Amino acid sequence: AQSVTQLDSHVSVSEGTPVLLRCNYSSSYSPSLFWYVQHPNKGLQLLLKYTSAATLVKGINGFEAEFKKSETSFHLTKPSAHMSDAAEYFCVVSGGRAAGNKLTFGGGTRVLVKP
Amino acid sequence: EAGVTQFPSHSVIEKGQTVTLRCDPISGHDNLYWYRRVMGKEIKFLLHFVKESKQDESGMPNNRFLAERTGGTYSTLKVQPAELEDSGVYFCASSQDFVVVFGPGTRLTVT
Repeated sequence: AQSVTQLDSHVSVSEGTPVLLRCNYSSSYSPSLFWYVQHPNKGLQLLLKYTSAATLVKGINGFEAEFKKSETSFHLTKPSAHMSDAAEYFCVVSGGRAAGNKLTFGGGTRVLVKP
Repeated sequence: EAGVTQFPSHSVIEKGQTVTLRCDPISGHDNLYWYRRVMGKEIKFLLHFVKESKQDESGMPNNRFLAERTGGTYSTLKVQPAELEDSGVYFCASSQDFVVVFGPGTRLTVT
């Protein structure tokens, strides 16, 4: 069984300041973890993925995430927020090939960027 | 390459009516998934096709929902009869490996 908890349902940041979106996961096996983003009226877009290689993962648009097994965390960060980062972000864990790569989503974090 | 496409983008129907959602996966992707997000809730898995076969339909909420994937290409998800609680966004996704690509979703409103 697997689960994902996103610790903040809403995050508000000022443009140019750092962004931190927190995610904790639970999985019975070595997880594959993802962050997806959904901009208003758009589909889900893959930001980055962790699949047991380097623990610090770089994604698109300046985002990165660090896998910490001891803390069962996969927090998403960006050094400097841009207005275009306003969106909803989802932390996701995969059940792996044995589970047909079925994805379990966190509840989402809605990011507001203030000018 | 073309992404995952879904039709329609929006659908508004009355309770008791039937609606059919369509998904065209990325060409060559054997795996096709349906997910949905009802208002205020998390995105939840509905089912998984491998080619034309249902691999996992554990997330289908009840027998009012019927999914098909003819010839292992496009897929349809039919809701019959629709209920108010079926309102939400229905996402289709496809994959060939562990990276799952999502479509833009169909927003279904049942009134």
